[in-house]
Parts: sequence; structure tokens; C-alpha cells
Amino acid sequence: GAGVSQTPSNKVTEKGKYVELRCDPISGHTALYWYRQSLGQGPEFLIYFQGTGAADDSGLPNDRFFAVRPEGSVSTLKIQRTERGDSAVYLCASSLRPVDTQYFGPGTRLTVL
Amino acid sequence: AQSVTQLDSQVPVFEEAPVELRCNYSSSVSVYLFWYVQYPNQGLQLLLKYLSGSTLVKGINGFEAEFNKSQTSFHLRKPSVHISDTAEYFCAVSDKDNAGNMLTFGGGTRLMVKP
Repeated sequence: GAGVSQTPSNKVTEKGKYVELRCDPISGHTALYWYRQSLGQGPEFLIYFQGTGAADDSGLPNDRFFAVRPEGSVSTLKIQRTERGDSAVYLCASSLRPVDTQYFGPGTRLTVL
Repeated sequence: AQSVTQLDSQVPVFEEAPVELRCNYSSSVSVYLFWYVQYPNQGLQLLLKYLSGSTLVKGINGFEAEFNKSQTSFHLRKPSVHISDTAEYFCAVSDKDNAGNMLTFGGGTRLMVKP
């Protein structure tokens, strides 16, 4: 079956611009996670959704970052006034329930010039 | 809060040799433990996980890991590696009591299998 998909696969933007990154989880998965992976490091947790609500957003680095999941399926990570330090691979994962295995998408590579 | 340390950033090994990738964690609470593999240009894939029970866990592709609570370690092993095992390996933990099960990852170990 289809796995987690993320679009775009690559995004290049200029400092100060706004970007949106999309995640399509596996159908029926209620839990959805965003992680960020900087070069040479492991992924870091950003935000977790259970259904439509953000159950834990403690990993968001500042208020320029925001994410939504309005219908409990697709999620969008939004970054305002991008900075060069935001350059990273943004990973999305979903699981049937929070206690179950998280399945990861291929990521979106964001480059802020 | 938890933290995960993968002491080796790179591990070169010859094909058919055994390998051990080390993982140590620090946590004030009980944790679940995971190993993920990331092949080039692919997403993270679960190799194995420890939730409870037997401390020796077997995963896919011939990998296994042993949970050692006293040493707070979860080392990954394979008795004979293949060229196709070349990839980045990540150890991760999650808080057993946190309903969200968010993962805390180590920095990764790049396994390089040479012919």
C-alpha cells in the first residue's frame, strides 16, 4: 500500500519568505509527527497530531513555525520569515495509534538562501 | 527528558564481517527503544524495537539488539554484513508514559560495508 508521502521533495527559498511543506500520511493513521533533520544529525521532534489537534507542539523552535491538520489526514507545516538556520530535511511520520510503529516519509529538503 | 548517544559516527567494515553499532541512552523514566535505518535517498525504516519482555530483540535483515538496563544500552548487531547494509543507522527512545510516543534520536552511525 501507499506509504507516507511528502511534497515537495526539495524546496529552495530566499531568506524572509514563507513556505509550506505537505505531508500525506498512510490512510487511517490517526497519529502524525513532524521531525527536522539537520545535516549530520539525527531527527528532532517538532510537533505531534492526534486526529485534527496538535497534541504536543513542544518541539517547535519558535513562533515562526506552525502546523495544521484540519481534517485529520493531510498536514501542512508552515514556516514564516524563513532564516538560513531553517535549512534542513523535514520529515513526516504517521502511525495507526501513537503506541504503534511510526512510518516515515522521504522528507522535504528545505534550503534557505 | 531523554537523550541518546551513538558513540561511533562512522563504522567501516568488510563484507561478511560481524558488526556492532553502539547506542547508550539517558532517561529519568522508562523508555521504549528503537533502531531505524536510512538508506540513501529513502525515508527512515524501522529495523527493530524493544517494548517489553525478552531483552534480545530480532529485527529485519538479520539484525538484532540487546537491551541492557543496567548499562542503559541498546547495541545493534549483525553477525555477517552485506554491501547492501551500507546506510545510516539511528537509535531512538520514547517515553513509555507519554501518550504521544515521540521519538528522541541519536546522531546516527554511518555503516560502510566494503567488498
